[in-house]
Amino acid sequence: ETGVTQTPRHLVMGMTNKKSLKCEQHLGHNAMYWYKQSAKKPLELMFVYNFKEQTENNSVPSRFSPECPNSSHLFLHLHTLQPEDSALYLCASSQADRIRGYTFGSGTRLTVV
Amino acid sequence: DQQVKQNSPSLSVQEGRISILNCDYTNSMFDYFLWYKKYPAEGPTFLISISSIKDKNEDGRFTVFLNKSAKHLSLHIVPSQPGDSAVYFCAAPIIQGAQKLVFGQGTRLTINP
Repeated sequence: ETGVTQTPRHLVMGMTNKKSLKCEQHLGHNAMYWYKQSAKKPLELMFVYNFKEQTENNSVPSRFSPECPNSSHLFLHLHTLQPEDSALYLCASSQADRIRGYTFGSGTRLTVV
Repeated sequence: DQQVKQNSPSLSVQEGRISILNCDYTNSMFDYFLWYKKYPAEGPTFLISISSIKDKNEDGRFTVFLNKSAKHLSLHIVPSQPGDSAVYFCAAPIIQGAQKLVFGQGTRLTINP
C-alpha cells in the first residue's frame, strides 16, 4: 500500500464512453498530479493541483477533465477519447513546498477501443 | 524539449555484477535529482536522491554519482539481484509556475540469473 490509491486499476472504454479515474491520498499532502505514461516515452505531466487549485494544465486536450474537490481526492474525467490515449495514468501527491519526492499510485491502465 | 534524458532504453546484467544506469540533463538550474524504480502494474517508487552540493550518495547497494560539469548522473547497483529487474527513471524538480518533477524516458533493467 503506497498511501496513494487509484481506481480502477484497469479500464477498457469505447471512444464514445464517459468514465472517470479516481485518486485518493491520506498522506497529508497538499499537491496532487496526473501523469501519463505511454510506451517508450517519458512520464508526461498532465495536471498539477496545489491546495485544490489547478496550477498547471500541460496542453492537455479537453477530452481530459480533472477535478480536485479537496486536497485528498483527485479525479480525471474522460470523454470521447481516442485509441492513442491508451496508456497508464498515474496519480501522485507531494507536499507542495517540498517537491523532493512524489508518492505515486499504482496507476490505471486505460485501453480505448 | 526533453530536459532529462536516459539514452539507454534497456540494460541486461548478470546477477551479482554491477548495474550502471545513466542519465543526462540539459538544465543547469537543476539542483536535485531523484531515481525512481517501477515494476510492471505498479506506480514508480522513490529509490535514492542526490543534491547538487554532493557528487555521491550511497544507500546500501545503491549509489548515485553526479557530475555537474558533464550534466550527467548515474545509478550504480552492486551486487545486482533478480529483484532489481524493473524500469528505472531519473527525475529532477523544476518550478515553472508550479513545482513538478520532470522524468527521463526510463531504462528497463533485467538481471539474469
